[in-house]
Amino acid sequence: QKEVEQDPGPLSVPEGAIVSLNCTYSNSAFQYFMWYRQYSRKGPELLMYTYSSGNKEDGRFTAQVDKSSKYISLFIRDSQPSDSATYLCAMTGGAQKLVFGQGTRLTINP
Amino acid sequence: GAVVSQHPSRVICKSGTSVKIECRSLDFQATTMFWYRQFPKKSLMLMATSNEGSKATYEQGVEKDKFLINHASLTLSTLTVTSAHPEDSSFYICSARDPYSYEQYFGPGTRLTVT
Repeated sequence: QKEVEQDPGPLSVPEGAIVSLNCTYSNSAFQYFMWYRQYSRKGPELLMYTYSSGNKEDGRFTAQVDKSSKYISLFIRDSQPSDSATYLCAMTGGAQKLVFGQGTRLTINP
Repeated sequence: GAVVSQHPSRVICKSGTSVKIECRSLDFQATTMFWYRQFPKKSLMLMATSNEGSKATYEQGVEKDKFLINHASLTLSTLTVTSAHPEDSSFYICSARDPYSYEQYFGPGTRLTVT
């Protein structure tokens, strides 16, 4: 079993839809959770960063962490074609390397 | 977010030559930087952890003599691919970790093609 599981998709939704991306993990030591967006042939861009459990909102993006269930989510509201990319969840216990999910390929159809 | 630069963005070299890739943390001093390799439609594969002032820590299966890493300052890490071969062709990405928040910021990547 992988430390971090993420459905690779692909996921295709119409423009304006709410998108829900999820990851599950097995290591209870993880405390720092990140979501990255990666466009083709580009480096990952940090979208959301959350420490421990709770919600965080930034514009159209909301990140949720449920440590009791070892489950994290990223919600995208009013999705746009420019949101089409691969989304990677990543997490760490602190001063260790990041552990990534496999990435979910998302396409927003106009 | 913080800015991490990488240079060059793409490079083509002949088999047997060496190539150096630079990674700079522009917004904060990074005691720890990372080097990744990414194959098409795959997730990031960590190659090594670069620690300022000390030797890099390589992941299992990564040849340290082939992929030389130097982290001589708090804002610069370099990856040198020595005696490059076509199988080394890939997308190489570096990242810098904020020492206080553990947020990790990635560079734009370097596409290496070995002919």
